[in-house]
Amino acid sequence: DGGITQSPKYLFRKEGQNVTLSCEQNLNHDAMYWYRQDPGQGLRLIYYSQIVNDFQKGDIAEGYSVSREKKESFPLTVTSAQKNPTAFYLCASNQPGTGGFTEAFFGQGTRLTVV
Amino acid sequence: AQSVTQPDIHITVSEGASLELRCNYSYGATPYLFWYVQSPGQGLQLLLKYFSGDTLVQGIKGFEAEFKRSQSSFNLRKPSVHWSDAAEYFCAVGDISGGYNKLIFGAGTRLAVHP
Repeated sequence: DGGITQSPKYLFRKEGQNVTLSCEQNLNHDAMYWYRQDPGQGLRLIYYSQIVNDFQKGDIAEGYSVSREKKESFPLTVTSAQKNPTAFYLCASNQPGTGGFTEAFFGQGTRLTVV
Repeated sequence: AQSVTQPDIHITVSEGASLELRCNYSYGATPYLFWYVQSPGQGLQLLLKYFSGDTLVQGIKGFEAEFKRSQSSFNLRKPSVHWSDAAEYFCAVGDISGGYNKLIFGAGTRLAVHP
């Protein structure tokens, strides 16, 4: 079945540590996204990528980094520069249309907690 | 700047009652509008979308939404709520400005259903 797989489901980070969240899709989508979700704030865009080897900062990119070396993979690294990383992280993908927008599909999320 | 506003943070309804969740957007061009639902600790599932054409769109699980350009609104409705509808609901607009696809979300409305 096609879909988006995020791993791990739960992740614990110590202060000053970098951690990487995995996102893999087999939908053959060109575009992929990372969102951060905090209670009462909805989903905020961290980074997005329209094509392999290209990505753009979203609204809250500070303290995060990404790579897009393969079409199906878009890992997110939460660096030690991110001062408040405890949140629920969602990965999404879609296939950009010509002059339009298409439905985005979401993974099941990773809950990151600083300990 | 493009934005989405969901004025109601929490809504409680009785099972069997009707439901309307409000969504207002700010977007310069023809909007691509979406409603997603999220169960606790899960990813997002698409309920319905509006791209063009008939302003009343039908979605899954008995939901519908009406696009009103004059009011910049895209409210979600359901005639009779079931206990399983308790979840968080997100309205989103697809932004294709600048040659990139981005989804911009509202803060969400958490729905509780009384038996």
